[in-house]
Order: sequence, then C-alpha cells, then structure tokens
Amino acid sequence: QSVLTQPPSASGTPGQRVTISCSGSSSNIGSYAVTWYQQLPGTAPKLLIYSNNRRPSWVPDRFSGSKSGTSASLAISGLQSEDEAEYYCTTWDDSVNGGVFGGGTKVTVL
Amino acid sequence: EVQLVESGGGLVNPGGSLRLSCAASGFTLRTYSMHWVRLAPGKGLEWVSSISGSGNYIYSADSMKARFTISRDSAKTSLYLQMNSLRVEDTAIYYCARGVTGDIWDWYFDLWGRGTLVTVSS
Repeated sequence: QSVLTQPPSASGTPGQRVTISCSGSSSNIGSYAVTWYQQLPGTAPKLLIYSNNRRPSWVPDRFSGSKSGTSASLAISGLQSEDEAEYYCTTWDDSVNGGVFGGGTKVTVL
Repeated sequence: EVQLVESGGGLVNPGGSLRLSCAASGFTLRTYSMHWVRLAPGKGLEWVSSISGSGNYIYSADSMKARFTISRDSAKTSLYLQMNSLRVEDTAIYYCARGVTGDIWDWYFDLWGRGTLVTVSS
C-alpha cells in the first residue's frame, strides 16, 4: 500500500488528453512540492515534472502538472504512442521522514 | 560525460550481504544530494535512502534503516549502499539518482543510473 494513491491504469487514443491523479495528505503533498517521473519498460525513471508544474527542458509541453491541497495531477495532452509508460508521483513526507512514491499508473495508448 | 553507473548486484542467499556501488562521472558528489531507489518485480518505485551533498544528513526508509547503510567515498566520486540481512522481498533493481541540489528536500532527481539487479533467493 503506497502512501500516495494513483490509479493503476489510464488509457486514451492518440491525440486525446489523459489525466493521472495523485492523492496524499497534509504531511506529504500538503507540505511539499510534487515530482513526476516517467518510466519506460526496462529503462530508468526520467524526470518529467518538478516543483508541481515545472518541466525540464527535454520534456515536451504536452506534459503538465498541477497541485491543489493534498492532491496533484499529471496531464498528457495530444497523447502519442511513445507516451506508453509507467508514471509515478513522489514527494517528501514528514510523517515517515523520507521520500514516498505513488504506486504508479500505467498509461496505454489504444 | 555526466553519468551514474551502478554495480555490485547479484544473487545472494537470504540473510546475506551485498555492497552496491554507484560511480559518478562528470560531476562531484559533494555538490548534490544522492539517493537510492528500488523497483521490485511487479511493484512500483520505492525510496531506499538519501544522503545530502554535505554528507551531514542521511535518511533511510524505516523498513531498511537497520539493515541498509548509505555512504560516499572520501574522494566523493562513488556512492555506496551496504545491504545486510537481506530478505527475499529486497529483490529489486536498485537505482542511484542525483538530486538537483545538495539539499535532500529538493526532492527531484535529474540523473539516474541504469540500475543493478539484486536477487535474494535460496
């Protein structure tokens, strides 16, 4: 059972918009910025979104993040086949004095 | 080239020990926080342990705190994870990752290694 709650799966057709939620509590998302990673099969995680809504230079602007209270979300607009991957949210948590991850969401492009 | 390369994984019996290494090139560890994260088969990413750029702050997950120890070498070019009393449930790919500053609480990692597989089985 992960401290941060994500849906196990999400899907969409090419060009559609997909949103992934990440639910936490006051000790984690409510107090700290949220980061999102993309992990393609057999590869290391890649930084996708940091500080809730900022994108590294190598990430296309189809990806966006937001945070409100104790929840965060990742949106992928204009879904593409190469977006098929596992997506994880993460942040620091004062109650465990460490980092916490969501269980991951597998995105499938239909 | 800026990169991280893990090594030291392998097959070990339950109760055994392993020492993972993460060689950093293209940058010095003392400028950045460093982290270990693992991915067990069929499960999601799990944070293992972190060390600040100064080395003054170390945190580890509760389930591993008494058994795993994170450290760096004095030349600050390699990160380590000493794993003792290994359990079957520790079987995972172990990644080292670089934080973007020396502060552990800037909780995002911009550079990851490819990982090293640890298998705990009799």
